[in-house]
Amino acid sequence: AQTVTQSQPEMSVQEAETVTLSCTYDTSESDYYLFWYKQPPSRQMILVIRQEAYKQQNATENRFSVNFQKAAKSFSLKISDSQLGDAAMYFCAYGGGNTPLVFGKGTRLSVIA
Amino acid sequence: GAVVSQHPSWVICKSGTSVKIECRSLDFQATTMFWYRQFPKQSLMLMATSNEGSKATYEQGVEKDKFLINHASLTLSTLTVTSAHPEDSSFYICSARDYRDYQETQYFGPGTRLLVL
Repeated sequence: AQTVTQSQPEMSVQEAETVTLSCTYDTSESDYYLFWYKQPPSRQMILVIRQEAYKQQNATENRFSVNFQKAAKSFSLKISDSQLGDAAMYFCAYGGGNTPLVFGKGTRLSVIA
Repeated sequence: GAVVSQHPSWVICKSGTSVKIECRSLDFQATTMFWYRQFPKQSLMLMATSNEGSKATYEQGVEKDKFLINHASLTLSTLTVTSAHPEDSSFYICSARDYRDYQETQYFGPGTRLLVL
């Protein structure tokens, strides 16, 4: 069974600085998707970024980018120029085919003004 | 991104009553939807997978007679909490699988806070 591990329960970053959230996963599949979701205090799950495993190029979405290391089964999220609105719970998730997502336990990010 | 709505956002009910929660994909068709439960400061716990036109698949430990799921159309799935009790109080979230252009993503509804008195 697939597993997702987020080893940092909490992180903090100064406003305008850069922070990296870690995620590792375990799977025997070769074709899958990886996601980062953000859950702010409203508790709405918001898709931040997605990565297809077959793509070697790391996904980017504005200030958000990932470092995808398929062989190491690592999928970290980098947030550049951190803003107060980035404060939230961040979940790393693994998905593939018509199966439910497998979530990590989450990392709570605080942004310090 | 695609939009998933969930209704109601808040519900307070008396113990023993039933509560229905609706999950709709607004701008795409979703043959598969998922229902999650989330306790405070924890990750999402999958309850069941809802497939349009067929019976839902429940995760181990989830009572299917307690949590009735119906996926009658490509845009609507419902979760009914039957004979609700205080221990059913929680935050329930649905997601819908969007598969377009050979890319797959799951989008989430805003969640429903259930309080059973």
